[in-house]
Amino acid sequence: DTEVTQTPKHLVMGMTNKKSLKCEQHMGHRAMYWYKQKAKKPPELMFVYSYEKLSINESVPSRFSPECPNSSLLNLHLHALQPEDSALYLCASSPRQALAGTGELFFGEGSRLTVL
Amino acid sequence: AQSVSQHNHHVILSEAASLELGCNYSYGGTVNLFWYVQYPGQHLQLLLKYFSGDPLVKGIKGFEAEFIKSKFSFNLRKPSVQWSDTAEYFCAVNAIPTGGFKTIFGAGTRLFVKA
Repeated sequence: DTEVTQTPKHLVMGMTNKKSLKCEQHMGHRAMYWYKQKAKKPPELMFVYSYEKLSINESVPSRFSPECPNSSLLNLHLHALQPEDSALYLCASSPRQALAGTGELFFGEGSRLTVL
Repeated sequence: AQSVSQHNHHVILSEAASLELGCNYSYGGTVNLFWYVQYPGQHLQLLLKYFSGDPLVKGIKGFEAEFIKSKFSFNLRKPSVQWSDTAEYFCAVNAIPTGGFKTIFGAGTRLFVKA
Protein backbone atom coordinates (compact mmCIF):
# COMPACT_ATOMS: atom_id res chain seq x y z
CA ASP A 1 0.00 0.00 0.00
CA THR A 2 1.06 3.55 -0.64
CA GLU A 3 0.52 6.59 1.58
CA VAL A 4 -0.49 8.68 -1.41
CA THR A 5 -4.08 8.05 -2.40
CA GLN A 6 -5.37 8.76 -5.87
CA THR A 7 -8.95 8.71 -7.11
CA PRO A 8 -10.41 7.51 -9.32
CA LYS A 9 -8.28 4.52 -10.25
CA HIS A 10 -9.83 4.40 -13.70
CA LEU A 11 -11.54 7.12 -15.71
CA VAL A 12 -13.05 7.07 -19.16
CA MET A 13 -14.09 10.39 -20.63
CA GLY A 14 -15.12 11.93 -23.91
CA MET A 15 -13.30 14.82 -25.48
CA THR A 16 -15.96 17.29 -24.38
CA ASN A 17 -16.15 16.14 -20.76
CA LYS A 18 -14.83 17.87 -17.69
CA LYS A 19 -13.42 15.63 -15.00
CA SER A 20 -10.96 15.82 -12.13
CA LEU A 21 -8.29 13.58 -10.69
CA LYS A 22 -7.66 13.78 -6.97
CA CYS A 23 -4.65 13.05 -4.81
CA GLU A 24 -4.24 13.08 -1.07
CA GLN A 25 -1.30 12.56 1.28
CA HIS A 26 -1.04 12.88 5.04
CA MET A 27 2.71 12.58 5.48
CA GLY A 28 3.16 16.32 5.98
CA HIS A 29 5.01 16.68 2.69
CA ARG A 30 4.93 20.20 1.30
CA ALA A 31 5.88 19.33 -2.28
CA MET A 32 3.43 17.52 -4.52
CA TYR A 33 3.73 16.47 -8.13
CA TRP A 34 1.77 15.31 -11.15
CA TYR A 35 3.51 12.94 -13.53
CA LYS A 36 2.17 11.41 -16.74
CA GLN A 37 3.19 7.90 -17.75
CA LYS A 38 2.41 6.43 -21.13
CA ALA A 39 2.63 2.68 -21.68
CA LYS A 40 6.20 1.36 -21.61
CA LYS A 41 7.55 4.87 -20.99
CA PRO A 42 9.03 6.57 -17.93
CA PRO A 43 7.04 9.05 -15.86
CA GLU A 44 7.17 12.58 -17.26
CA LEU A 45 6.88 15.55 -14.94
CA MET A 46 3.87 17.80 -15.51
CA PHE A 47 3.46 20.06 -12.47
CA VAL A 48 5.05 20.69 -9.09
CA TYR A 49 3.47 22.44 -6.13
CA SER A 50 5.53 23.68 -3.21
CA TYR A 51 3.72 25.00 -0.17
CA GLU A 52 0.50 25.04 -2.16
CA LYS A 53 2.00 27.27 -4.86
CA LEU A 54 2.68 26.18 -8.42
CA SER A 55 6.43 25.87 -8.73
CA ILE A 56 6.87 24.11 -12.06
CA ASN A 57 4.67 23.77 -15.13
CA GLU A 58 6.47 21.71 -17.75
CA SER A 59 4.72 23.45 -20.65
CA VAL A 60 1.64 21.35 -20.15
CA PRO A 61 -1.36 22.22 -22.38
CA SER A 62 -4.01 24.34 -20.69
CA ARG A 63 -6.57 21.55 -20.99
CA PHE A 64 -4.82 20.23 -17.87
CA SER A 65 -5.36 22.52 -14.88
CA PRO A 66 -3.76 21.72 -11.54
CA GLU A 67 -5.02 22.90 -8.18
CA CYS A 68 -3.63 22.56 -4.66
CA PRO A 69 -6.42 23.45 -2.22
CA ASN A 70 -4.29 22.68 0.85
CA SER A 71 -1.10 20.98 1.88
CA SER A 72 -2.64 17.51 1.71
CA LEU A 73 -4.62 17.69 -1.50
CA LEU A 74 -3.74 17.98 -5.16
CA ASN A 75 -6.22 18.01 -8.01
CA LEU A 76 -5.84 17.81 -11.76
CA HIS A 77 -8.78 19.24 -13.67
CA LEU A 78 -9.30 17.87 -17.15
CA HIS A 79 -11.22 19.55 -19.96
CA ALA A 80 -11.40 19.01 -23.70
CA LEU A 81 -8.78 16.30 -23.67
CA GLN A 82 -7.53 14.47 -26.73
CA PRO A 83 -7.21 10.70 -27.20
CA GLU A 84 -3.43 11.05 -27.03
CA ASP A 85 -3.83 12.25 -23.45
CA SER A 86 -4.79 8.73 -22.46
CA ALA A 87 -2.20 7.62 -19.92
CA LEU A 88 -1.54 6.78 -16.30
CA TYR A 89 -1.46 9.95 -14.22
CA LEU A 90 0.70 9.67 -11.16
CA CYS A 91 0.65 11.85 -8.10
CA ALA A 92 3.68 12.03 -5.84
CA SER A 93 4.87 13.92 -2.80
CA SER A 94 8.27 14.56 -1.29
CA PRO A 95 9.49 15.81 2.06
CA ARG A 96 12.44 17.93 1.02
CA GLN A 97 12.89 21.39 -0.43
CA ALA A 98 14.23 22.36 -3.81
CA LEU A 99 17.68 23.62 -2.84
CA ALA A 100 18.47 20.37 -1.07
CA GLY A 101 16.87 18.27 -3.76
CA THR A 102 13.52 16.64 -3.85
CA GLY A 103 14.48 13.60 -1.85
CA GLU A 104 12.50 10.45 -2.30
CA LEU A 105 9.24 10.67 -4.21
CA PHE A 106 6.28 8.83 -2.74
CA PHE A 107 3.94 7.80 -5.51
CA GLY A 108 0.27 6.95 -5.59
CA GLU A 109 -1.05 4.03 -7.60
CA GLY A 110 -2.14 6.34 -10.36
CA SER A 111 -5.33 7.16 -12.23
CA ARG A 112 -5.61 5.43 -15.56
CA LEU A 113 -7.30 7.80 -17.97
CA THR A 114 -8.84 6.83 -21.28
CA VAL A 115 -10.05 9.58 -23.59
CA LEU A 116 -12.48 8.48 -26.27
CA ALA B 1 19.88 20.09 -18.45
CA GLN B 2 19.89 16.85 -16.54
CA SER B 3 19.19 13.60 -18.35
CA VAL B 4 19.32 9.90 -17.58
CA SER B 5 20.05 6.95 -19.83
CA GLN B 6 19.52 3.30 -19.06
CA HIS B 7 21.41 0.90 -21.23
CA ASN B 8 19.19 -2.14 -21.13
CA HIS B 9 15.52 -1.92 -22.06
CA HIS B 10 14.72 -5.59 -21.61
CA VAL B 11 16.59 -8.14 -19.53
CA ILE B 12 15.71 -11.80 -19.13
CA LEU B 13 17.45 -13.82 -16.43
CA SER B 14 17.04 -17.16 -14.77
CA GLU B 15 16.57 -17.35 -11.03
CA ALA B 16 19.83 -17.12 -9.07
CA ALA B 17 21.57 -15.25 -11.87
CA SER B 18 23.33 -12.00 -11.05
CA LEU B 19 21.89 -8.70 -12.18
CA GLU B 20 23.49 -5.45 -13.17
CA LEU B 21 21.49 -2.64 -14.73
CA GLY B 22 23.35 0.32 -16.13
CA CYS B 23 22.44 3.95 -15.54
CA ASN B 24 24.30 7.06 -16.63
CA TYR B 25 23.32 10.65 -16.06
CA SER B 26 24.44 13.89 -17.55
CA TYR B 27 24.99 16.72 -15.10
CA GLY B 28 28.29 18.05 -13.86
CA GLY B 29 27.23 19.12 -10.40
CA THR B 30 25.79 17.55 -7.31
CA VAL B 31 23.05 15.01 -7.81
CA ASN B 32 20.63 12.92 -5.84
CA LEU B 33 20.29 9.52 -7.47
CA PHE B 34 17.51 6.95 -7.20
CA TRP B 35 16.37 3.59 -8.39
CA TYR B 36 12.63 3.02 -8.41
CA VAL B 37 10.84 -0.24 -9.09
CA GLN B 38 7.39 -0.83 -10.48
CA TYR B 39 6.09 -4.36 -9.92
CA PRO B 40 3.26 -5.50 -12.20
CA GLY B 41 0.06 -3.76 -11.17
CA GLN B 42 1.71 -1.83 -8.34
CA HIS B 43 2.79 1.73 -7.74
CA LEU B 44 6.29 3.07 -8.25
CA GLN B 45 8.34 2.62 -5.11
CA LEU B 46 11.84 3.49 -4.03
CA LEU B 47 14.43 0.75 -4.24
CA LEU B 48 17.39 2.79 -3.03
CA LYS B 49 18.82 6.31 -3.05
CA TYR B 50 22.11 8.12 -2.96
CA PHE B 51 22.49 11.63 -1.55
CA SER B 52 26.08 11.72 -0.28
CA GLY B 53 28.68 9.70 1.60
CA ASP B 54 29.46 6.06 0.91
CA PRO B 55 29.06 5.57 -2.85
CA LEU B 56 27.89 2.00 -2.34
CA VAL B 57 24.30 2.11 -1.20
CA LYS B 58 22.10 -0.76 -0.15
CA GLY B 59 18.39 -0.87 -0.71
CA ILE B 60 15.50 -3.16 -0.11
CA LYS B 61 15.29 -6.81 -1.18
CA GLY B 62 19.04 -7.28 -1.51
CA PHE B 63 19.62 -4.61 -4.14
CA GLU B 64 22.62 -2.30 -4.09
CA ALA B 65 23.95 0.44 -6.33
CA GLU B 66 27.31 2.07 -6.76
CA PHE B 67 27.77 5.75 -7.53
CA ILE B 68 30.88 6.38 -9.62
CA LYS B 69 31.18 10.12 -9.99
CA SER B 70 33.94 10.01 -12.58
CA LYS B 71 31.77 7.87 -14.82
CA PHE B 72 28.49 9.65 -14.07
CA SER B 73 27.08 6.23 -13.34
CA PHE B 74 24.76 4.67 -10.77
CA ASN B 75 24.46 1.00 -11.67
CA LEU B 76 22.06 -1.32 -9.89
CA ARG B 77 23.15 -4.79 -8.81
CA LYS B 78 21.79 -7.89 -7.16
CA PRO B 79 23.88 -11.03 -6.69
CA SER B 80 21.03 -13.51 -7.10
CA VAL B 81 17.66 -12.59 -8.58
CA GLN B 82 14.35 -14.19 -7.73
CA TRP B 83 11.21 -14.67 -9.79
CA SER B 84 9.59 -11.98 -7.63
CA ASP B 85 12.10 -9.41 -8.94
CA THR B 86 10.24 -9.38 -12.24
CA ALA B 87 9.40 -5.69 -12.62
CA GLU B 88 10.33 -2.48 -14.37
CA TYR B 89 13.27 -0.58 -12.93
CA PHE B 90 13.78 3.15 -13.35
CA CYS B 91 16.90 5.12 -12.63
CA ALA B 92 16.20 8.74 -11.68
CA VAL B 93 18.25 11.87 -11.01
CA ASN B 94 17.61 15.17 -9.29
CA ALA B 95 20.23 17.84 -9.96
CA ILE B 96 21.15 20.09 -7.02
CA PRO B 97 20.31 22.94 -6.96
CA THR B 98 19.57 23.73 -10.59
CA GLY B 99 17.20 20.82 -10.95
CA GLY B 100 15.02 22.15 -8.21
CA PHE B 101 12.00 19.96 -7.90
CA LYS B 102 12.68 18.06 -11.11
CA THR B 103 13.33 14.36 -10.76
CA ILE B 104 14.03 13.00 -14.21
CA PHE B 105 13.53 9.32 -14.98
CA GLY B 106 15.39 7.07 -17.36
CA ALA B 107 13.50 5.06 -19.96
CA GLY B 108 13.29 2.04 -17.69
CA THR B 109 14.46 -1.57 -17.85
CA ARG B 110 11.96 -4.38 -17.93
CA LEU B 111 13.35 -7.36 -16.06
CA PHE B 112 11.83 -10.81 -16.46
CA VAL B 113 13.11 -13.55 -14.20
CA LYS B 114 12.41 -17.10 -15.31
CA ALA B 115 11.54 -19.52 -12.53
